[in-house]
Amino acid sequence: GDSVTQMEGPVTLSEEAFLTINCTYTATGYPSLFWYVQYPGEGLQLLLKATKADDKGSNKGFEATYRKETTSFHLEKGSVQVSDSAVYFCALRRGFGNEKLTFGTGTRLTIIP
Amino acid sequence: SQTIHQWPATLVQPVGSPLSLECTVEGTSNPNLYWYRQAAGRGLQLLFYSVGIGQISSEVPQNLSASRPQDRQFILSSKKLLLSDSGFYLCAGERNTEAFFGQGTRLTVV
Repeated sequence: GDSVTQMEGPVTLSEEAFLTINCTYTATGYPSLFWYVQYPGEGLQLLLKATKADDKGSNKGFEATYRKETTSFHLEKGSVQVSDSAVYFCALRRGFGNEKLTFGTGTRLTIIP
Repeated sequence: SQTIHQWPATLVQPVGSPLSLECTVEGTSNPNLYWYRQAAGRGLQLLFYSVGIGQISSEVPQNLSASRPQDRQFILSSKKLLLSDSGFYLCAGERNTEAFFGQGTRLTVV
């Protein structure tokens, strides 16, 4: 079945550090890939997405590139801020008859000033 | 914009009592709907998803059930709660590949 594997957390970085959160997936066909973010005390919200191979999703300084050859969708940001502290979830969705949205376990990110 | 209303925000129920958590959608029609349980260190576990009225797929055999009596209504139920049903439950909708979430319900079974 479909699955998403994220790097284990928690991750603690200093402000302005470079961030990478790894995400790999297992799915047949060509799933759409997503990163969701959950800020403290809030619900999940979509951060970025990519719907086909080599697409790059970007938002709020975060980027992730859909790499079919490595089945990966790693999240990166060049310079993190304290306000980026949150839990990040990688997710996939296979279309065309398989509708379920499958999430990874989440990675808690803490940025210290 | 698309929004999910989920209630209640917190709930304390005795073991063996029934459960009904309701989720309604605004701002879109014919969404896919999901119930997840979020556990610390275990991420989001998909419990049920629905692609339309009366269509429910169960991902994990358990003490819970789900129903979708209307296009924008999704209900999570149990006839008899177990201690292990305690957790944080999230309802989500999805339309055009973008998912939107409710604020969640913290259920404590005592």
